[in-house]
Parts: sequence; structure tokens; C-alpha cells
Amino acid sequence: NAGVMQNPRHLVRRRGQEARLRCSPMKGHSHVYWYRQLPEEGLKFMVYLQKENIIDESGMPKERFSAEFPKEGPSILRIQQVVRGDSAAYFCASSPYPGGQETQYFGPGTRLLVL
Amino acid sequence: DQQVKQNSPSLSVQEGRISILNCDYTNSMFDYFLWYKKYPAEGPTFLISISSIKDKNEDGRFTVFLNKSAKHLSLHIVPSQPGDSAVYFCAASHGSSNTGKLIFGQGTTLQVK
Repeated sequence: NAGVMQNPRHLVRRRGQEARLRCSPMKGHSHVYWYRQLPEEGLKFMVYLQKENIIDESGMPKERFSAEFPKEGPSILRIQQVVRGDSAAYFCASSPYPGGQETQYFGPGTRLLVL
Repeated sequence: DQQVKQNSPSLSVQEGRISILNCDYTNSMFDYFLWYKKYPAEGPTFLISISSIKDKNEDGRFTVFLNKSAKHLSLHIVPSQPGDSAVYFCAASHGSSNTGKLIFGQGTTLQVK
């Protein structure tokens, strides 16, 4: 049973470009969480999605950021018109249960660098 | 507003001795606490958790203690091993949120020599 997959592992973008980060949850998991880790900080919750639904986006910046988890395929975190401050590690976690706390399994992360 | 705080950025311990990592929180609504371990270039891995109805949970070499009145929890690792060298994150959640979102501390880097 493969773990949570994230790709790309590293992504370099110039200011103003778009970044798309993909997350494939573990098999049988239909709950996905996205977290961001800025340098020298802990992980910060961004959004919680179930298949085809955004359940909690209280941690998402109001502009330029969006997330989806379609019926088929991976969850996508999209950042439009990236700025240097978006440089961070973005982690996805999946869970088989709604509101799963200890059952959140994390992927290896995507490290975004904005030049 | 840092609701979960790990005030020690780093800790160095000799192999075989006890490692004690500390975490403080401010939100009294938190009712579930977790510790994650993270190696460089990897995602966090769940280590151990504790519900607010307990004050201690033990799993092998790892024990978590919760002091609700002080809003403080700690992770004890004994005996410490070189493979324990990693960043440890404390996290909290409250069941009433029904989303399971985790609030993380800043992390403590543990080095076991």
C-alpha cells in the first residue's frame, strides 16, 4: 500500500507564474489536508477537502490560492501569480476518516522556490 | 497568534539518556494532542498522541504527559538513540471543529550523540 504521493518534489517558479502541486492520497483515503511550512516555522493548516468538496479553507490565503480534490485524480493546490513569500514546503496529508487526527498520513512534501 | 508553542528550538542529548521535549498551548478547547517526528526532506510521521481525558500515554520508548491545568505537554524518549535525531513537532486539535485540522508548534530539533 503506497503512501501519500506528492509531486513534484521540487518546483522552481519565477514571480508571476503559476504553481500546481499534486497530492495522491493513500488508497482508500478520501480526506485530504494541505499544510504549508515556511522556513524555520511549524506546519500551518491551509485547507481540508473531501472528494469534490472543500470542507474547511480557513487557513488559505484569500487571494491567488485554490485547492480541489476531484472525484477522480489527485488533489491539486494551485498558486497563481506566485511571489517570493510563497517559497515554502507544502505538505499534503490524507486520512480514511473525517476529522481524522492521528490518522493523518503525510506525504514527503513539495518544496516551492520562487525566484 | 501562536496557539501551540515549542520554546526550545533545539536539544542535544547523549545516547542512552532521556530526551524531554516540551510543548505549551493556549487554547483550552484543544482536546487532542499529537507528536510528529520529521527527518529532512521527508514528511512528518505520527509518533504518539494523547486525549485530554488522560494525563499519560506510553508506547515503547515514548511517553507523552499532559498537564491540562498548566496547558503543557511533554514527550519523553528513553533511552534516546542516534536514530531519534530529527525535528519533533507538537500538534493539537479540538474535536468540536470536526475537521481534524492540526495546529503545530514550531518544532524542536533533537540531536542524540
